Amino acid sequence: AQKVTQAQTEISVVEKEDVTLDCVYETRDTTYYLFWYKQPPSGELVFLIRRNSFDEQNEISGRYSWNFQKSTSSFNFTITASQVVDSAVYFCALRIFRANNLFFGTGTRLTVIP
Amino acid sequence: NAGVTQTPKFRVLKTGQSMTLLCAQDMNHEYMYWYRQDPGMGLRLIHYSVGEGTTAKGEVPDGYNVSRLKKQNFLLGLESAAPSQTSVYFCASRTNRNSPLHFGNGTRLTVT
Repeated sequence: AQKVTQAQTEISVVEKEDVTLDCVYETRDTTYYLFWYKQPPSGELVFLIRRNSFDEQNEISGRYSWNFQKSTSSFNFTITASQVVDSAVYFCALRIFRANNLFFGTGTRLTVIP
Repeated sequence: NAGVTQTPKFRVLKTGQSMTLLCAQDMNHEYMYWYRQDPGMGLRLIHYSVGEGTTAKGEVPDGYNVSRLKKQNFLLGLESAAPSQTSVYFCASRTNRNSPLHFGNGTRLTVT
């Protein structure tokens, strides 16, 4: 069975602080994909990143970075120098290789206080 | 580029009424999905389609039906709405199994 756990329900930070959103996943499959999506207050879901299970390189995109560690089954997301526009609900998701479905975590609501 | 368009954006139903949610995508995507989002539960898959004329059940299919008569459209039907179906419904599509999902803006449904 597949499962994604985002233990942090809500996080508040002051603007310019760094923040890390945790994601822990469970799967018995050796080939899988991990995703992060952002849901701003307007409601739409925006794709941020996809990682496959064979690529443990960390990725950086501007102020965003992702740390994938298979040893701890984690795929954490860090925002550096947070901004008010980063306020959103962030979802981590998992898809195993031959499946059509993404399993989503319950999301982390990030509030960046100006 | 319209992307994925959902109609309506909001709807209020009484228990027992029926309705159809429409999802349309203009990206020629093969795969289409219906999710529901409930507080504290993330997104859960209702039904999905891997191509025109195909449908399959997801995690929470009970009380819903779907149809994919045209490649660009994926309809979600509620035959007899129940308060437990109060939720925000998202449609998504993608080119193939390995590409990221593109989501619509959601439909907020309230069943009283």
